[in-house]
Formats: sequence, C-alpha cells, structure tokens
Amino acid sequence: EVQLLESGGGLVQPGGSLRLSCAVSGFSFSSYGMNWVRQAPGKGLEWVSGISASGHTTYYADSVKGRFTISRDDSKSTLYLQMNSLRAEDTAIYYCAKEEAVGIYCDYWGLGTLVTVSS
Amino acid sequence: SYELTQPLSVSVALGQTARITCEGNNIGSKNVHWYQQKPGQAPVLVIYRDNNRPSGIPERISGSNSGNTATLTISGAQAGDEADYYCQVWDSRTMVFGGGTKLTV
Repeated sequence: EVQLLESGGGLVQPGGSLRLSCAVSGFSFSSYGMNWVRQAPGKGLEWVSGISASGHTTYYADSVKGRFTISRDDSKSTLYLQMNSLRAEDTAIYYCAKEEAVGIYCDYWGLGTLVTVSS
Repeated sequence: SYELTQPLSVSVALGQTARITCEGNNIGSKNVHWYQQKPGQAPVLVIYRDNNRPSGIPERISGSNSGNTATLTISGAQAGDEADYYCQVWDSRTMVFGGGTKLTV
C-alpha cells in the first residue's frame, strides 16, 4: 500500500524558515518524481515544486522561486521542502504527492501538513 | 503562463448527470487530469490522461478533452460525489491546476 506522510509543519513568524518532510512507503521511491502542492485556507490547489526521479532536475512555481528548495534522500525514501523567507501568503496545508511520469500528474497524495506564517 | 478556467459551482440532482468543464487554450493538445477533494481530505485522482480511471474509481465517472475544453462527467450522481473537483495539466515545466469546481448534489 502506497503511503506518504508529511511532517514539519507549524507556526512560524514572517521571514522565518521551516523544513517539511515527506516519508513514503509502498513503492520504489527512487523511481518516481515527486511534488509539493499547497492549499491556502478556503482556496484551491497550488503547485509549489517538483523534483525528478534522479533528483537532478527541480521545478518551482514563480511564487516560491528563490525562497523554497526541494530535495530528496532516496536512502531514507524521504522528500523535503526547505522554506525560507516565509510570508503570510505561504500559509497553507502542504501536500506531498507521487508523480506519474507519463502525462505528469499526481497519483498518490499524503494527508498534508499545515504551515501557518504569522506574528 | 497557462491558465485553466473552471466554473465555481455546479449543481446536479440525485441520479442525474453532472458535467464540469475546464477551459484552456488548445487544451485538447495536452493531457488533462482530474482530482476530487472532499472537505478535510487530501485530493484523490479520479481521471488521468483525459479519460482513464484509476482502479477503484467507478465507471460512471468519465472524462473527455477536445479543442479548448476538457470535461469531467459524473453519471448517476450520488450524495457521495459532492466535493470539489480540480483539473490539471503540465505546461512549460509547471503543474497547472484549475481554480476548482464545487459540485453540489
């Protein structure tokens, strides 16, 4: 059974940093690209970042480029999102999602972790 | 940047057919995927690559894509289909989501 479990969310002040983790099981982590998708309270889904299976290629939404860094540790089957210079508008539930390469979509999602940026 | 436009809400009577549209420039040339999200839950993939269902998704949920419009069709709508639905494509190294449609049964 495929499982993705996010952690690391919490309350942080504007300008602060946070690192999210996503531990996965039930599939060969190193064979798949992964993504982070967020959802602000009462709003729709917003893609944040993606990383290729090899880890060599990363992608970012313009809204987080230069502030967020996605990475992966295949030995731990874990995906990360380092978030710096956080803003109030980054407040959201952050989901990690497994990517299916052909067509590029997310076939499995975690339950999400809430990040609140507030003073 | 590429944009996807969905209606904010769609209503359907129990047992009838609901159609949720997703509009984008020449979207018919892209692979379109659909997600269902119920309150307090993570999104679930219901249609991938225009018209394919993952295992466990009922046959009464289907998709089509042509020209500038992709459509998610839910036949014989049930109370359990009430949810938010999002379309998604991959364009220019970014994953693009539509704004979402709230389906009321």
